[in-house]
Amino acid sequence: EPEVTQTPSHQVTQMGQEVILRCVPISNHLYFYWYRQILGQKVEFLVSFYNNEISEKSEIFDDQFSVERPDGSNFTLKIRSTKLEDSAMYFCASRLTGPGAQYFGPGTRLLVL
Amino acid sequence: AQKITQTQPGMFVQEKEAVTLDCTYDTSDQSYGLFWYKQPSSGEMIFLIYQGSYDEQNATEGRYSLNFQKARKSANLVISASQLGDSAMYFCAMRQRRLTQGGSEKLVFGKGTKLTVNP
Repeated sequence: EPEVTQTPSHQVTQMGQEVILRCVPISNHLYFYWYRQILGQKVEFLVSFYNNEISEKSEIFDDQFSVERPDGSNFTLKIRSTKLEDSAMYFCASRLTGPGAQYFGPGTRLLVL
Repeated sequence: AQKITQTQPGMFVQEKEAVTLDCTYDTSDQSYGLFWYKQPSSGEMIFLIYQGSYDEQNATEGRYSLNFQKARKSANLVISASQLGDSAMYFCAMRQRRLTQGGSEKLVFGKGTKLTVNP
């Protein structure tokens, strides 16, 4: 069964460093998302991406964040200068089309020291 | 703005019994979708079940069913014949449609309910 994959599973970085989180969505899906979940809290929407551009972003998704689909299979989230409060689990999700479910990857646990 | 409320921070159930996890929602949209996801301790988010606002039948997927009461704005998850592997966090979510290009349809999540299945 096709699934969303994410790498790395864990990332530890120093405050101020750039990180790139990688995702491979399900191959025929058209809509892509990033969410984050701070430890013990609910899942929060960051950004959605369709047809090679951002279709919606939350107030969390400020200028430090960017997304890219560089090669038709990978979908990346870049945080330019990480802050302590960026420590969270980051989930990538994809959706085929229509009112279907979003399928989540296993997440990348980011720890900023 | 759309909102999902899960009022049960934790629930306990005996193995093989049924359990209902509550979810209420608030929206002004006529067309919307409701989802349940399971998050085991390993952290991944597993899609369980979906209910569209125009679906006349309650959704079912194996041991999972969704008790959809539109007038009450509730979408409770029922797990029948609980198993030890059902112990996890359960999140209710609503699709929020954005009627611009791309039809974002981001998900808005509740705070979750931690289910513990006792042997």
